[in-house]
Amino acid sequence: AQKITQTQPGMFVQEKEAVTLDCTYDTSDQSYGLFWYKQPSSGEMIFLIYQGSYDEQNATEGRYSLNFQKARKSANLVISASQLGDSAMYFCAMREDWGAQKLVFGQGTRLTINP
Amino acid sequence: DSGVTQTPKHLITATGQRVTLRCSPRSGDLSVYWYQQSLDQGLQFLIQYYNGEERAKGNILERFSAQQFPDLHSELNLSSLELGDSALYFCASSAGLLQGGYGYTFGSGTRLTVV
Repeated sequence: AQKITQTQPGMFVQEKEAVTLDCTYDTSDQSYGLFWYKQPSSGEMIFLIYQGSYDEQNATEGRYSLNFQKARKSANLVISASQLGDSAMYFCAMREDWGAQKLVFGQGTRLTINP
Repeated sequence: DSGVTQTPKHLITATGQRVTLRCSPRSGDLSVYWYQQSLDQGLQFLIQYYNGEERAKGNILERFSAQQFPDLHSELNLSSLELGDSALYFCASSAGLLQGGYGYTFGSGTRLTVV
């Protein structure tokens, strides 16, 4: 069974600093996808970034990058130059690339950016 | 507007009651996923429908049921409600076999409060 672990319940970071949110995963599949979502206080789920298990390069989307270490089964999210609007819950998720292709989510990390 | 419509946005009801949550997927999407998010928790997968057929089941209680209609909208029925059923219920849709990081579209959720 797939499992996602986010070990940081909360993080506090100064504005303009970089921040790394940790995510480890467990799966016996060879083909899978890893996602990060942002959930602001308003509640909606906002897709941030994706990494496929066969992608050799780390994914980047603007200020977001995904530090993918396949052997260690980790997929950490790095946010560069943090902004006050980055304060939110962040969820790591994994998708099996077969069957139902449902997303399995971690417990989330609450990120607070201080001015 | 993400393209996935969930109604109602908020629902307050008493213990023991039954409610129906509705989801209209993005135009062209055949798959609907239901997730439950309890307070400060990650999203728990409940059930998936694909083109009217149940495709996968997660940790869905026997008091809960769902269906997908010919027009592809889906309904999640929650009965004999308990205080612990209070949560944010998300619907997500996708076109079918997913590749890459795109394809899931989340609705804005229905916040259910059981009193």
